[in-house]
Amino acid sequence: EAQVTQNPRYLITVTGKKLTVTCSQNMNHEYMSWYRQDPGLGLRQIYYSMNVEVTDKGDVPEGYKVSRKEKRNFPLILESPSPNQTSLYFCASSPGLARGIETQYFGPGTRLLVL
Amino acid sequence: GDSVTQMEGPVTLSEEAFLTINCTYTATGYPSLFWYVQYPGEGLQLLLKATKADDKGSNKGFEATYRKETTSFHLEKGSVQVSDSAVYFCALSDQEYGNKLVFGAGTILRVKS
Repeated sequence: EAQVTQNPRYLITVTGKKLTVTCSQNMNHEYMSWYRQDPGLGLRQIYYSMNVEVTDKGDVPEGYKVSRKEKRNFPLILESPSPNQTSLYFCASSPGLARGIETQYFGPGTRLLVL
Repeated sequence: GDSVTQMEGPVTLSEEAFLTINCTYTATGYPSLFWYVQYPGEGLQLLLKATKADDKGSNKGFEATYRKETTSFHLEKGSVQVSDSAVYFCALSDQEYGNKLVFGAGTILRVKS
């Protein structure tokens, strides 16, 4: 089954404790992206990757890091989480062949609470 | 920058009622427009899309027409079901920014039986 998977689905942590949220897709997509969803704001892009070893900032990158060492994986790293990073996080992917018109496929989401 | 504005919810309807969720956008280029739906506890999935002016996207009884003159992409369905209860997001993607989606705030739809 074609899908985007994320782990963990739920996470409670404390301020300053480094964490990683994993994202993996099995569709051989070149483009991958991370969004955060907050009430009243919709989803906002954090980082994206056009291909392996190519990553770039989205609209709200502060406090986050990413890496793209393999095509299928795109982990999101919070080096020192703070309470304002409490949110619902989504990973997404798309083929990456046609800029601006592609359907993106979303993972099930990771709900993060930073105390 | 580009932006999307959706009508605020929640929208509460009885089963078989007509649905309209308004969406307008601001963009400097020629964006593609999307409606994504989020069912409780799940990720977003594409409902429909339109890539150029006057295109109509449709799926599962939902429709939306890309209106460049009014910069709008309103979502409609003639007869809603309880199973349509979800959060609906209008979004745009502009070639200039690659595949980034710019989302509206989302509209909660609740359908009562």
